[in-house]
Amino acid sequence: DTEVTQTPKHLVMGMTNKKSLKCEQHMGHRAMYWYKQKAKKPPELMFVYSYEKLSINESVPSRFSPECPNSSLLNLHLHALQPEDSALYLCASSQDGGPGANVLTFGAGSRLTVL
Amino acid sequence: SQKIEQNSEALNIQEGKTATLTCNYTNYSPAYLQWYRQDPGRGPVFLLLIRENEKEKRKERLKVTFDTTLKQSLFHITASQPADSATYLCAWGGYSTLTFGKGTMLLVSP
Repeated sequence: DTEVTQTPKHLVMGMTNKKSLKCEQHMGHRAMYWYKQKAKKPPELMFVYSYEKLSINESVPSRFSPECPNSSLLNLHLHALQPEDSALYLCASSQDGGPGANVLTFGAGSRLTVL
Repeated sequence: SQKIEQNSEALNIQEGKTATLTCNYTNYSPAYLQWYRQDPGRGPVFLLLIRENEKEKRKERLKVTFDTTLKQSLFHITASQPADSATYLCAWGGYSTLTFGKGTMLLVSP
């Protein structure tokens, strides 16, 4: 079993809905990440929370907003999404987010479908 | 900018053979490269990390090499099994980020 837990596993939402993806880790890691993965493509980084600081991939639209209530939790709030946002959303964590060899532990993913 | 390329989209081999997957990079040599395995609909799972100053790393049936002259990392699975069938991703690390190659889908036939 993965040590990064993502809920829900599957989510179907309409373009006007507001929903959230949740991610939790209990490994004491200090950095957490959201990645987006489309079919047959590599994971693409969306957000990094490292030592309470947020780093954003500037290409990510504002309809995605991350929230980090504490160092173990990372949420991704979704609002007014488009069908092209349908993808597998992966949460990951690493021991720290600084320079060096950051090995990522991924969750099982949340499969999002936008109708 | 740095690019990671996995040129083979798919690789089919017979059970028992050695699978060799390639990861090439452009421009400067990354400080380290990582290899992950991903099964369909699941998150990637870390396998091995190799640093720039290391030639080779091993873990059970897995071996990774790093050739800074060729700007290439090779990932080997010896005595391959059908259970090794998956997509294998190489990744390059920067500050707080990890950039993935497109992956190579390995299919091991009985």
